[in-house]
Amino acid sequence: DVKVTQSSRYLVKRTGEKVFLECVQDMDHENMFWYRQDPGLGLRLIYFSYDVKMKEKGDIPEGYSVSREKKERFSLILESASTNQTSMYLCASSLEFLGSSYNEQFFGPGTRLTVL
Amino acid sequence: AQKITQTQPGMFVQEKEAVTLDCTYDTSDPSYGLFWYKQPSSGEMIFLIYQGSYDQQNATEGRYSLNFQKARKSANLVISASQLGDSAMYFCAMRGTLDMRFGAGTRLTVKP
Repeated sequence: DVKVTQSSRYLVKRTGEKVFLECVQDMDHENMFWYRQDPGLGLRLIYFSYDVKMKEKGDIPEGYSVSREKKERFSLILESASTNQTSMYLCASSLEFLGSSYNEQFFGPGTRLTVL
Repeated sequence: AQKITQTQPGMFVQEKEAVTLDCTYDTSDPSYGLFWYKQPSSGEMIFLIYQGSYDQQNATEGRYSLNFQKARKSANLVISASQLGDSAMYFCAMRGTLDMRFGAGTRLTVKP
C-alpha cells in the first residue's frame, strides 16, 4: 500500500521559532510537493522537487525553504515562524510526469500548524 | 503561469440527482493533465479522475465523469446519482511539465 507520511498531525509553535515539517514517501517517486491549504484559497504550491537536491519555487515560497537530501524525504522549513503561517500543510509525491501521462499525486495526512 | 479557477465556492444537490462542478484552466504547456480530488471532512485527499490533454475521449470512473472541452479550457466534473457520502470539498488540479496546481475548491453538500 502506497504511503506518504508527515511527521506530525498537529503542531503548535511560537512566533520566531524555526519549524521543520517532514515528509516521507515509500513509493520511490521522483517528484515531491509542499502545499498549504487555507479556506477559500484551496491548495497553494509552496515548493516542489523533481529530484534529489533539486527544488523549485511554487506560488508562495516567501518565508519557507525546503530540503531534499534523499529521494524519499522532503522537508519544509519555516526559518522564523509567523502567525500568518498558521495553516494546514500537505505534502504530496508523484512519479515523473512524461508528456500527458497519468500519474496522480499521493497525499500525506497533513500537518495543522498553529503559530502563536 | 498556470492557473486553475473554480467559480463555485459551494453547491447543493438533492440525493440521487446529478451535479456538475465547474473548472477552467489556463496554461501555455501543450501537454498537461487534469485531475479531480475529493476531500471529505476527515481531511484526506482522494483521487477521483484524470484527463490527459491529448485524450480524445472524456474520462469516466464509475459515477464520475469529466466533461473536457479543450478549446474552452474547461474540465468540469459530473457526479451522477449523488449520494450523501459525496458531501465534501472537491478540487480541480492541473499538472504541467513539472508542477501541479489546484483550484480553490467547491464544497458540495448532498441533501437527503
